Amino acid sequence: DGGITQSPKYLFRKEGQNVTLSCEQNLNHDAMYWYRQDPGQGLRLIYYSQIVNDFQKGDIAEGYSVSREKKESFPLTVTSAQKNPTAFYLCASSARPLGGEKLFFGSGTQLSVL
Amino acid sequence: KQEVTQIPAALSVPEGENLVLNCSFTDSAIYNLQWFRQDPGKGLTSLLLIQSSQREQTSGRLNASLDKSSGRSTLYIAASQPGDSATYLCAVGQGGSEKLVFGKGTKLTVNP
Repeated sequence: DGGITQSPKYLFRKEGQNVTLSCEQNLNHDAMYWYRQDPGQGLRLIYYSQIVNDFQKGDIAEGYSVSREKKESFPLTVTSAQKNPTAFYLCASSARPLGGEKLFFGSGTQLSVL
Repeated sequence: KQEVTQIPAALSVPEGENLVLNCSFTDSAIYNLQWFRQDPGKGLTSLLLIQSSQREQTSGRLNASLDKSSGRSTLYIAASQPGDSATYLCAVGQGGSEKLVFGKGTKLTVNP
């Protein structure tokens, strides 16, 4: 089955620790995105990538980093600089960069601080 | 700055009822609008995508309409079922931008 796989489903971060969230897609999509979802708020864009080896900051990129070394993979690192990391993180992809394309989402990773 | 509002925040209806969910946006210069469904603790599933040149899209019991001039979209669900219980989100795409602007969603409960 084609789709987007996010792992782990639950993740706990200790003070001062960096953690990495995995996102893999087998849809052969060019564009990939990371969103953060907080209770009672809409989704907010963290980073996006239109093509391999290229990525752009979204609205709330501070404290996060990404890489896009392979078309199918777009991992997100939550660094110790992100002071309020507790949230539900969603990875998404589209066949081409946004401009009329449907967005496909993974099942999410819930990150909590210990 | 584009703002997307969904009212009501929550809605409870009896099974079998037809219902309408609302989405409004402040900037009519949109490229497209998508409706998504989200089950608790899960990712989003795209339901319908309406391009700016279209007035509506239909999929099964779902019909979404778009009125750009008034900054509104509606999602019509016919003959609601308990399995339709979920949070429904709308998101608008801006031309020339990678960013979708999401509403906060309407939590729908369909009671048997």
